Amino acid sequence: DGGITQSPKYLFRKEGQNVTLSCEQNLNHDAMYWYRQDPGQGLRLIYYSQIVNDFQKGDIAEGYSVSREKKESFPLTVTSAQKNPTAFYLCASRLAGVGEQFFGPGTRLTVL
Amino acid sequence: QKEVEQDPGPLSVPEGAIVSLNCTYSNSAFQYFMWYRQYSRKGPELLMYTYSSGNKEDGRFTAQVDKSSKYISLFIRDSQPSDSATYLCAMSAGTGNQFYFGTGTSLTVIP
Repeated sequence: DGGITQSPKYLFRKEGQNVTLSCEQNLNHDAMYWYRQDPGQGLRLIYYSQIVNDFQKGDIAEGYSVSREKKESFPLTVTSAQKNPTAFYLCASRLAGVGEQFFGPGTRLTVL
Repeated sequence: QKEVEQDPGPLSVPEGAIVSLNCTYSNSAFQYFMWYRQYSRKGPELLMYTYSSGNKEDGRFTAQVDKSSKYISLFIRDSQPSDSATYLCAMSAGTGNQFYFGTGTSLTVIP
């Protein structure tokens, strides 16, 4: 059953902690993306990766880091430098050279 | 000016109505246009994908792209309560390019 999985579904972070959000896909897609969704602001791009071992910053990369060691995995770390991390985080993927993008179910991060 | 503009609504219609959702954009390089449906606390689900101008129909859904006006639309015929969700438009200039999203339109279909 092909798709994109994100874990955990809900995540709680204390001030000053780093947390890592998981994103895995078995669609054999080349490109993977991380977005942040806040009410009334739509989706904002954090990082994206077109190929393994390469990634680019999006519009709001400050306070976040990523790695792309495997084609199927693109974890996102929310560091303590991110001052307002409470949001809904969405991972997406697409085939290289093809237009549409597919999304995972999302992770809701809350700072306590 | 935002790359993509979308009226946030909310939009409320009776069951069976025809719904029209719209987005405008400013970048004439956009060639790929998508509509997503997002239920509360879920990831967006791809509904329609269109390349360049023209119409595309899939069941009760029709997507239209007018590149000359920089305007895209999604029509939902015979709307159902299960269509109640937020609808996001998205677009891209092509391979390797970023996607740009509207802020979403909240739709409620009343039984």
